[in-house]
Amino acid sequence: AQSVAQPEDQVNVAEGNPLTVKCTYSVSGNPYLFWYVQYPNRGLQFLLKYITGDNLVKGSYGFEAEFNKSQTSFHLKKPSALVSDSALYFCAVRPGYNTDKLIFGTGTRLQVFP
Amino acid sequence: NAGVTQTPKFQVLKTGQSMTLQCAQDMNHEYMSWYRQDPGMGLRLIHYSVGAGITDQGEVPNGYNVSRSTTEDFPLRLLSAAPSQTSVYFCASSYRTSGSTDTQYFGPGTRLTVL
Repeated sequence: AQSVAQPEDQVNVAEGNPLTVKCTYSVSGNPYLFWYVQYPNRGLQFLLKYITGDNLVKGSYGFEAEFNKSQTSFHLKKPSALVSDSALYFCAVRPGYNTDKLIFGTGTRLQVFP
Repeated sequence: NAGVTQTPKFQVLKTGQSMTLQCAQDMNHEYMSWYRQDPGMGLRLIHYSVGAGITDQGEVPNGYNVSRSTTEDFPLRLLSAAPSQTSVYFCASSYRTSGSTDTQYFGPGTRLTVL
């Protein structure tokens, strides 16, 4: 079955430290990968995506993600966390070119402490 | 651009009642979809549409109906509300290029409680 896993329900990090939010996927074919962020009582906002090309993708608010085909991972990273980065982060995959559907992970809550 | 708009923001229903959640977008997106978000389960696809007059089922379609009479609007109907449909509902839309969807953009959500 096609799926996305976010193994950590919550990630805690001190402000100024680097952060990583993990995502692994299991799909057949070449995946299209996305990260979204959800602030309290708001909809999801698009952060970045990987379609093809360079494995390191840069997105909004200083976030980046690295596509690793051999490890089937797409971890979200930021070199220096801000308190304002505290939110719920979702990884999603579109399992190939010929489908419109997005499969979402269960989400990881990022808490950045001052 | 207003983007993707949803109404209402909040709704409380009694079991057995019906209602329609409204979704509209002003970006001329071909693709529109409905998700529900439940704690610990991420977002699950209910129904989607690749253009006016075309709809299809997602992962959890039971108890919901959709129609797409215009490009802009994609309402979600709950036929007979059940407590299991208590959730936050999100509408999303995107362009379709070369027969495939681009980045999806989400509305602010509707928080539904069924008593």
